Amino acid sequence: DAKTTQPPSMDCAEGRAANLPCNHSTISGNEYVYWYRQIHSQGPQYIIHGLKNNETNEMASLIITEDRKSSTLILPHATLRDTAVYYCIVRVAGRDDKIIFGKGTRLHILP
Amino acid sequence: GAGVSQSPSNKVTEKGKDVELRCDPISGHTALYWYRQSLGQGLEFLIYFQGNSAPDKSGLPSDRFSAERTGGSVSTLTIQRTQQEDSAVYLCASSLPGGINYGYTFGSGTRLTVV
Repeated sequence: DAKTTQPPSMDCAEGRAANLPCNHSTISGNEYVYWYRQIHSQGPQYIIHGLKNNETNEMASLIITEDRKSSTLILPHATLRDTAVYYCIVRVAGRDDKIIFGKGTRLHILP
Repeated sequence: GAGVSQSPSNKVTEKGKDVELRCDPISGHTALYWYRQSLGQGLEFLIYFQGNSAPDKSGLPSDRFSAERTGGSVSTLTIQRTQQEDSAVYLCASSLPGGINYGYTFGSGTRLTVV
């Protein structure tokens, strides 16, 4: 699976949009971009995934650049409950094998 | 069930004792994964099951660690002769075949403390 690069930490004011970047410059054509988050003391939680088109669900939006070398996870109205470590992962379509979690971005939502 | 269930939620054991950790995946999820997370550290892959077989055991840290899965459902992670460095949260996840549309669903974990 392609390697991803994320900033180690970010701050965002409560109520504002949180934009979390991820670089995946070596991504290949059949690799999807996945985002998970881990709130303190809980297991990681799936957020969203995409291949090349922008995606939106009830939790977040995923913006993937046209060259697919980077993406941004957007939490439109961040709340204190969004404080967590956010992981960006790329992996080949249809595979069941392990996901390797990197260090992620620790997002602090400021009141 | 509605989610991935792990038991016990907390386990304190004495050094040298054996422990068994249980994972009940979501019904119909054929893939099952074990990870562990030491305090303040990242997620460390241990083992992956597809059905009852384990194509990837590469993350098991030593031969004291073993895991099995029966009936394509429940999985048990066993740690023999526990050591203090085994203290961690052990997380189980499951997914549908291919994992594409839904990703992984994680349980809440078992916090193991070896004293």
